[in-house]
Parts: sequence; structure tokens; C-alpha cells
Amino acid sequence: SYVLTQTPSVSVAPGKTARITCGGYNIGDKSVHWYQQKAGQAPLLVISYDKDRPSGIPERFSGSYSGNTATLTIRWVEAGDEADYYCQVCDSNCDLPVFGGGTKLTVL
Amino acid sequence: QVQLVESGGGAVPPGGSLRLSCAASGFTFSSYGMFWVRQAPGKGLEWVAFIRDDGSNEHYGDSVKGRFTISRDNSKHAVYLQMNSLRGEDTAEYYCAKSSDYDGSGYLDYWGQGTLVTVSS
Repeated sequence: SYVLTQTPSVSVAPGKTARITCGGYNIGDKSVHWYQQKAGQAPLLVISYDKDRPSGIPERFSGSYSGNTATLTIRWVEAGDEADYYCQVCDSNCDLPVFGGGTKLTVL
Repeated sequence: QVQLVESGGGAVPPGGSLRLSCAASGFTFSSYGMFWVRQAPGKGLEWVAFIRDDGSNEHYGDSVKGRFTISRDNSKHAVYLQMNSLRGEDTAEYYCAKSSDYDGSGYLDYWGQGTLVTVSS
């Protein structure tokens, strides 16, 4: 089964740039989607198909690839960005989703 | 706007059963696949069941296969999760989520607020 690996935690000061990574075999061949989950809330889609932002998601959020790693970049980080972030791709047959283990973003 | 509202969660002893419901509105329900995704306390996201737009195909996560059944009623804009033989490890917040497409190959673009299931004696 396809496995996505995320760093468990990332810390960043307000106003700086946070980079949250998601690793997987040949992940560049897949479309990556990103979700934000704030404490006590349901997940929220923030990036679809690698780099598309749904309506209402600030331009500070962007997605990219490099090698076997996808990256969610959050520029000018705010306290309100503190959350767990999950990456997701479709599985080996591209029938169903696979989620990464999540990264907790702490804003210092 | 899209709304997904779950109900039916609660406390149940091991071996018991529970039926979750999700009422959908704000989109053409019969055109999209639907998921149930759960999150155990302090853990990550785990999809447990998926049903295609027309109900013709279902998929289950390995941890619930043979115990859980997903169904939908397109006339009522609702999706259900029948959970039998519940175990302690099924304790979680259960989210209803809309697929971006008729199948499960895309992303989950809208999520409900969740309903908590607690399995304990």
C-alpha cells in the first residue's frame, strides 16, 4: 500500500515562512492535496491538485514538488495558521485516498 | 453553500452497533461519491468507507471490513454508516466528507463537523 510520510511537527515564528513536507515514492506522479485541521474543528481543504487554492484560502498558502517530496508553504505565518496539516494522494490504483500522518504546525 | 451534518454518534459497549447518518445539502448529491473518515483521539485521519455517486460501488478500510456498511439514499440526500461488532479501537470522531468526483480518486472538498463514537464498557 502507498505510504505518505510527514514530519510530525514544525515550529515557526509569526511573519516567517513555514514549509510542511510530504514524502512518498514517485509522489511527483500523483496529485497532492492538503488539508488544515485546527483544534476541535473538521479538516479544511487548503490546496488541491498540487497547487490550486479553493475559494477563500489566502494566497499565502501554496503547494509545490521537488523530487519525492511535496511541500505546503505558508508565507507570512499568522497565529491563526496553527493547526495540523495533512497531505493526501490517491492510492496505487488511484481508487481511494491515502493520508499522511499529519504535521502539527506551532506558531511561536 | 455545501453542508454536511452528521448524527447518530454516542456511547456504546463493545460488541454493540450504531448507525451514523449524514444529511447533505447545497450540491447535486447524486453526482458525487461520499466518504466516512474517522479520527481517533490524538491521531490522524483514516478513511473507513466510501460509496460511489450512484451507490453501485463501495469500499472499506481494512480495519472495518466485514463490520461496517455504508449506504446512501439519493432521494433523501443522505449517506449512512452502519457499524456492527464495535471495538474499543473504533472510538473516534466520525466525519462525513464529499468526494470531489463521482468516485474516490480525487480529494475531499467538504467535511461535516463530525459525530463522536465512544466504545466502552
